[in-house]
Amino acid sequence: GAGVSQTPSNKVTEKGKYVELRCDPISGHTALYWYRQSLGQGPEFLIYFQGTGAADDSGLPNDRFFAVRPEGSVSTLKIQRTERGDSAVYLCASSLTTGRGSEAFFGQGTRLTVV
Amino acid sequence: QQQVKQSPQSLIVQKGGISIINCAYENTAFDYFPWYQQFPGKGPALLIAIRPDVSEKKEGRFTISFNKSAKQFSLHIMDSQPGDSATYFCAASIFGNEKLTFGTGTRLTIIP
Repeated sequence: GAGVSQTPSNKVTEKGKYVELRCDPISGHTALYWYRQSLGQGPEFLIYFQGTGAADDSGLPNDRFFAVRPEGSVSTLKIQRTERGDSAVYLCASSLTTGRGSEAFFGQGTRLTVV
Repeated sequence: QQQVKQSPQSLIVQKGGISIINCAYENTAFDYFPWYQQFPGKGPALLIAIRPDVSEKKEGRFTISFNKSAKQFSLHIMDSQPGDSATYFCAASIFGNEKLTFGTGTRLTIIP
């Protein structure tokens, strides 16, 4: 269907709170990626899923960050005990499969502000 | 460790001119080099990509030049237009789309 959809588009939360960010990938795309983009920087890899399993979570900064994709479609990025340093735009992308030749399509991102 | 270095940070080019953005990488295992275009409030969109077995790839007004021995690659935008004004990111990865490593971005402004 349409492109990658991320909700909410903006989220303001207080330091110490828990947040969930949702990503709806393009229908039929098996690979799903989360990136974090700080102001004035390029996106930084967090985690990617192939189907339901996390194939590589080496970019998650610490154990406060966790992501799931229980049915191989929608994914949720969960951040516990948020800190002001977590403020950034969280980008989700999906691709038909992995590997060269399979373009990754990005959503518009969720702008997270921790106050 | 920043594995992909991008320059310049910002660039102003007159309409009709050539915009050139450069990137250098450190990891010789990288084998996929895409360029992304990002408009304010939007996610990055793939513009053009190259593999290290070719030295140049052209798509319309956009060309990637790749120098494997120097570990450098660049984006050339010919006949630059105001609609090209955006932030451009180079990136690199080892197995294709997984775990892209992005540069820090170049804010391009095309002036009339």
